[in-house]
Amino acid sequence: NAGVTQTPKFQVLKTGQSMTLQCAQDMNHEYMSWYRQDPGMGLRLIHYSVGAGITDQGEVPNGYNVSRSTTEDFPLRLLSAAPSQTSVYFCASSYSSRGAGSPLHFGNGTRLTVT
Amino acid sequence: QQPVQSPQAVILREGEDAVINCSSSKALYSVHWYRQKHGEAPVFLMILLKGGEQKGHEKISASFNEKKQQSSLYLTASQLSYSGTYFCAKAAGNKLTFGGGTRVLVKP
Repeated sequence: NAGVTQTPKFQVLKTGQSMTLQCAQDMNHEYMSWYRQDPGMGLRLIHYSVGAGITDQGEVPNGYNVSRSTTEDFPLRLLSAAPSQTSVYFCASSYSSRGAGSPLHFGNGTRLTVT
Repeated sequence: QQPVQSPQAVILREGEDAVINCSSSKALYSVHWYRQKHGEAPVFLMILLKGGEQKGHEKISASFNEKKQQSSLYLTASQLSYSGTYFCAKAAGNKLTFGGGTRVLVKP
């Protein structure tokens, strides 16, 4: 039982490049979300999904796209990377489609640097 | 809006107690607590779903006061393993908004 798996663990991009951060969970969780964490700060919600085909914006969605074609996968796309997107990105899932009412299970994070 | 945590940091000796507060300017319907160790992902501690509810995890407990729009996390007889950053998060519909965190260092 792998839980929430994020790839890659580390990534360096140049300004303007695009990339996709992968997130997969094997717990059949309905709810999935992406957070970013900047040094010394809390986690800020980027996008979330309450089920396949349903996504919505969080607090800081600009510059990011998501899609949810399957229950298991929730990739995060950076359209045109900027230095302000340098951060640690966490994917998290929970079993309830009312995501705020059940525990979040986090992946191990992707550390992204944009130069 | 982000919940506000206090204090921002606390240093304890092993065996001492500490309280971390989490408050919101808007109504709190439920509160999550997580702990994150350096370089790792946050780990779930507990959810408080009702006003006045108290939960416990080992010697870590929490209370939730709906009327005061705040929750408190109690670290009792702290252990070295309690070191890390503690986050509260408030739930609103399908969104979970995290506070800025409280760094806890437990020294021998």
